[in-house]
Amino acid sequence: LAKTTQPISMDSYEGQEVNITCSHNNIATNDYITWYQQFPSQGPRFIIQGYKTKVTNEVASLFIPADRKSSTLSLPRVSLSDTAVYYCLVGEREYGNKLVFGAGTILRVKS
Amino acid sequence: DTAVSQTPKYLVTQMGNDKSIKCEQNLGHDTMYWYKQDSKKFLKIMFSYNNKELIINETVPNRFSPKSPDKAHLNLHINSLELGDSAVYFCASSPGVTNYNEQFFGPGTRLTVL
Repeated sequence: LAKTTQPISMDSYEGQEVNITCSHNNIATNDYITWYQQFPSQGPRFIIQGYKTKVTNEVASLFIPADRKSSTLSLPRVSLSDTAVYYCLVGEREYGNKLVFGAGTILRVKS
Repeated sequence: DTAVSQTPKYLVTQMGNDKSIKCEQNLGHDTMYWYKQDSKKFLKIMFSYNNKELIINETVPNRFSPKSPDKAHLNLHINSLELGDSAVYFCASSPGVTNYNEQFFGPGTRLTVL
């Protein structure tokens, strides 16, 4: 399983764009990248998933360079309610086990 | 309507006791999971069932026994509880077994072993 590395924490202000980068140097050919968001006292919630290039949904964008050794979650114009822990998860497209979420990135949005 | 529900939300018990956590999903998903989240926020999969069949069984002590009476339910029974079992346990479900599928998590059960 490809190991992921994320910053432990980030601070931002309301209205700013936040980019959280995840490193996954030994990502395998079949691995894809998924991001989850977790609020205190809640379970993680799926945000976005991608395999290469750029993926965008109503919540975020995910940028994946050609070598796929890293990925960047982009949150446009964050608000206080975006304060949460963000997990990068790299896993095989096919059935696989050993799903281990890392420590995640604590994002604190200030007013 | 709650998609993935767990009971109880909090569980405080003494070492050596046996306890169960129940999980139900109303999403019609085929696959369900149990995760353990420790104090450092690492989330690690413990078990996964697909259509009531065990498909993932990580290196979890055999004091932990999952049971899936039907594909909408996955319960976790823990025997002889130890201090190190204190954590938040999350149930999750997904449409299928591949990791490509989005997982939906329950609210968690905070287990404290005294």
